[in-house]
Amino acid sequence: DSGVTQTPKHLITATGQRVTLRCSPRSGDLSVYWYQQSLDQGLQFLIQYYNGEERAKGNILERFSAQQFPDLHSELNLSSLELGDSALYFCASSAGTTGYTEAFFGQGTRLTVV
Amino acid sequence: ILNVEQSPQSLHVQEGDSTNFTCSFPSSNFYALHWYRWETAKSPEALFVMTLNGDEKKKGRISATLNTKEGYSYLYIKGSQPEDSATYLCALGPYNQGGKLIFGQGTELSVKP
Repeated sequence: DSGVTQTPKHLITATGQRVTLRCSPRSGDLSVYWYQQSLDQGLQFLIQYYNGEERAKGNILERFSAQQFPDLHSELNLSSLELGDSALYFCASSAGTTGYTEAFFGQGTRLTVV
Repeated sequence: ILNVEQSPQSLHVQEGDSTNFTCSFPSSNFYALHWYRWETAKSPEALFVMTLNGDEKKKGRISATLNTKEGYSYLYIKGSQPEDSATYLCALGPYNQGGKLIFGQGTELSVKP
């Protein structure tokens, strides 16, 4: 158990809908990351928050947004969903904010858009 | 665009075989190199974080080396066991991009008893 909790584990929704994925980081970790794994793609970095502030951004679609709350949990909001948004979404957390900090991954949320 | 390449894509070995995988990355943007082990239906688990040229890390039967000048890292598994079956991911932590990791596609290892 990595200590990172993601909910829900599975989500099935229709095109055009909006969903929220939730992540609770390991106790004490200030950084939260979101990654997407689509079919035949490697893990793609979406966004990083550090202590409530956006720290780094990847190729995150404008329809997607994230935030980190004062209690350090994070939410990833996906709106106007398309079939291509079906993927495994991972949250990870780390104590630090740089690329040499070990990141711990949650078990992921499997999103299916129908 | 920074790209991380892993080879081979998949590997099938017999129990007891030793094996190794390669991870290639652009050396100009290097800050750190991570190796992860990812079993089906579980979360990726960190094996090593390497930052210095010539670094060698070891955890049990698994070890890794790093060459930042030429942009590659090797992961070695000595005496593979069926429980080593997993996808092994490497990820580049690029310089000055926060904690962002750029992952390779992974090497899928299958160890037959």
